[in-house]
Order: sequence, then structure tokens, then C-alpha cells
Amino acid sequence: EPEVTQTPSHQVTQMGQEVILRCVPISNHLYFYWYRQILGQKVEFLVSFYNNEISEKSEIFDDQFSVERPDGSNFTLKIRSTKLEDSAMYFCASSLTSSTNEKLFFGSGTQLSVL
Amino acid sequence: QKEVEQNSGPLSVPEGAIASLNCTYSDRGSQSFFWYRQYSGKSPELIMSIYSNGDKEDGRFTAQLNKASQYVSLLIRDSQPSDSATYLCAGPSSGGTYKYIFGTGTRLKVLA
Repeated sequence: EPEVTQTPSHQVTQMGQEVILRCVPISNHLYFYWYRQILGQKVEFLVSFYNNEISEKSEIFDDQFSVERPDGSNFTLKIRSTKLEDSAMYFCASSLTSSTNEKLFFGSGTQLSVL
Repeated sequence: QKEVEQNSGPLSVPEGAIASLNCTYSDRGSQSFFWYRQYSGKSPELIMSIYSNGDKEDGRFTAQLNKASQYVSLLIRDSQPSDSATYLCAGPSSGGTYKYIFGTGTRLKVLA
């Protein structure tokens, strides 16, 4: 069964450092997303991406965040200067279409710890 | 601000019982809902989707949608200890590009 893969599974970084989280969406999917979940809190939408452009972003997704699809398979989330409050589990997801009936498939997540 | 609300629990049920998980939503225009199961430290795993009023059954799971009351539920029959997890209700945000709004999740404990 096709799946969304994310690397690394854990990332520890110092405050102020840049991190790049990587994702390989399901191969025939066209819409890509990043969500995050702070420990004990709800899953929060960060950004959606289609046709090499950001489609929508939340208020969390400020200038410190960026996304990129550098080639035909990878989808990355970059945090330029990490803060303590960026510590969270980051989930990549993909879907075939943007229909409201479409299912989202999530990767296994990257646990980011900012020290 | 569109919201999806869930009781955080924990909801404790004995093994073999029916677990009933509930979710309310604020956007009357929402057309479809999804139930995800999330084990601690893991990613959300899709269990059920429901798009129309009424019940939808899949194995031990039944999703119920009542658009008039803006209410979604998930019933788990013959609950097993392996069902112990957090159950997330999610609905798409209307207007603009597709994205999900998640509830906080209900923690279910099935007692052996």
C-alpha cells in the first residue's frame, strides 16, 4: 500500500538553527500539506501546496517557515530560525484531489525538539 | 472561526462493550467528516469517512452524521484493548483551498 514517508523521525536542534523536514508524498497525489501537533494539543494545519505554489497557510506559518518541492518526489518544510515553541510533531500529508470528500493520508511524523 | 469540538475524555469502557465517541461542528456548510485514530506518539490513521446524513458501517465501526444537529459520532462495537487510542474528528474547512480542521480528540481506554 502506498504511503507518505517522512525523514528524519526525530530531529533535535538548538534554538536559532535552521531545520529542514523532508517528506515523500504518495506518488500520484497532487496536493501536499504540513500539519503540526504540540504535545497534548490538537493537530493544526500549517500549509497546503499545489502545482508548486502555496495554496493556503495558517497564521502559524509565518516568515520563518517555507515549503518547497525541489524535485518530483520530495516535499520539504524549512524553519529558518527555530524557537522553543516550534517543538512539536510535524506531519506531512497528501491527497489526490482537493475535493472536500478526499481523504488525507499522513506520514509517520518528525518529532522536532528545539533546545 | 470554524470549530470541531470533542470531549477530551478519557472515556473508559470494558472490553466487549460499545464505545461511543462524539463530535460537534460549527460550520453548517460542512459536508464531510473523517474519524482518525491516533496512538500515542504516532500519526493519525484514517478509520472512517462519512459524507451524508445517517449511518455508515465498516466492520466494528459505525459513523453517524446528523447535519441538522451538526453532530458526528463514531461507535465502536465489541471494543478491544487495542482500540485504546485517541480518536480525532476532522472536517474540511469550507471556502478556499481544502484543509482539515481537527478536534482535540477523545482518549478512549478499553479495560480488559
